[in-house]
Amino acid sequence: QVTLKESGPVLVKPTETLTLTCTVSGFSLSNARMGVSWIRQPPGKALEWLAHIFSNDEKSYSTSLKSRLTISKDTSKSQVVLTMTNMDPVDTATYYCARKPRADAFDIWGQGSMVTVSS
Amino acid sequence: EIVLTQSPGTLSLSPGERATLSCRASQSVSSSYLAWYQQKPGQAPRLLIYGASSRATGIPDRFSGSGSGTDFTLTISRLEPEDVAVYYCQQYGSSPTFGQGTKVEIK
Repeated sequence: QVTLKESGPVLVKPTETLTLTCTVSGFSLSNARMGVSWIRQPPGKALEWLAHIFSNDEKSYSTSLKSRLTISKDTSKSQVVLTMTNMDPVDTATYYCARKPRADAFDIWGQGSMVTVSS
Repeated sequence: EIVLTQSPGTLSLSPGERATLSCRASQSVSSSYLAWYQQKPGQAPRLLIYGASSRATGIPDRFSGSGSGTDFTLTISRLEPEDVAVYYCQQYGSSPTFGQGTKVEIK
């Protein structure tokens, strides 16, 4: 059974750096076809794609947030990590990780991790 | 960046009726890399349709997708109470984007 689970802080202060971890099971991050994306959703609003990493360490980022994002993976731990710098209250959202096979849609999603940015 | 515009914003129908949801892209979506997701309240999105018209595993056949280029449609042939949700279209090319969603309600 393929699962993804997000973990990280529930509350961060403005200007701080957010670090989120996605732990996957049921597939390997070294599988040539597989990749993982991060997506976020502010309360009551639409989904927004943030970043993606493939098994060969190829990375891509949202154009509007590229300067603040870093995605990485630890294949031995089956984890994908997203960092977002200089957090602001508008970054308050549920952050999801999702599996994305190459040339395919986001087929399996994590349950999401709610992050509030407030002083 | 490809902008996806969904219509209508909200769809209110009776059980058993046909629901037709539209997704229009600002430029052609390559290789029909167009997907539809269902998101129920308090839940993560679930993949319904990929490649514009292929149903994902376990998705009932009352859900169907069609279209190509810049115009795509998700159809629910006979609406069930459990279909109440927000539906998002997405293009999953090199820089994925989502539409703003269509909320489906039961009258």
